[in-house]
Amino acid sequence: DAGVTQSPTHLIKTRGQQVTLRCSPKSGHDTVSWYQQALGQGPQFIFQYYEEEERQRGNFPDRFSGHQFPNYSSELNVNALLLGDSALYLCASSFFDRALEGYTFGSGTRLTVV
Amino acid sequence: AQTVTQSQPEMSVQEAETVTLSCTYDTSESDYYLFWYKQPPSRQMILVIRQEAYKQQNATENRFSVNFQKAAKSFSLKISDSQLGDAAMYFCAYIRETSGSRLTFGEGTQLTVNP
Repeated sequence: DAGVTQSPTHLIKTRGQQVTLRCSPKSGHDTVSWYQQALGQGPQFIFQYYEEEERQRGNFPDRFSGHQFPNYSSELNVNALLLGDSALYLCASSFFDRALEGYTFGSGTRLTVV
Repeated sequence: AQTVTQSQPEMSVQEAETVTLSCTYDTSESDYYLFWYKQPPSRQMILVIRQEAYKQQNATENRFSVNFQKAAKSFSLKISDSQLGDAAMYFCAYIRETSGSRLTFGEGTQLTVNP
């Protein structure tokens, strides 16, 4: 049973560019959440997708957008990259109505903006 | 808004000894769950242990146990017989018992295990 798969694992982009990160959830999970984790800090919630709609959003600007596909996979898009967007981006999948089971995380995408 | 606080940025323990990591949280909800996640250098978050707020009994998973004090909003993790493989960043996390709730993390505690 595959866990959460994220691609790519590492990425280097130039300030002002756009980036797309991809996530395949754990088999059976219907909800995908994205987190930004700066070095040495806890993950910060970006947004959550369920039934192909953004259900919740954290304190992130509109430059951060996402999408969920019918097969539950998801993309995170960041436009007009800033140096401060350099971080580990984690994707987590879960069941929408089973909070007790927690989230299953991928290994993340390390984004470096230069 | 719910907040989770981990006041120990770093902790160290000798192999085979016991260590306790602290976590406090703030919420106005009565129904919620608490988790401890481990993040080794491989970066993947691994669920260590979970606690249901309505249960008074503290959760245990092999060498890992929690001390859950609901009134004090405290949720500490005890690791017994520490092993070198326990070295990692540990995060305390909170989620409401509601469909579609978001998982909120603390700042993390870096645990070092000395041989």
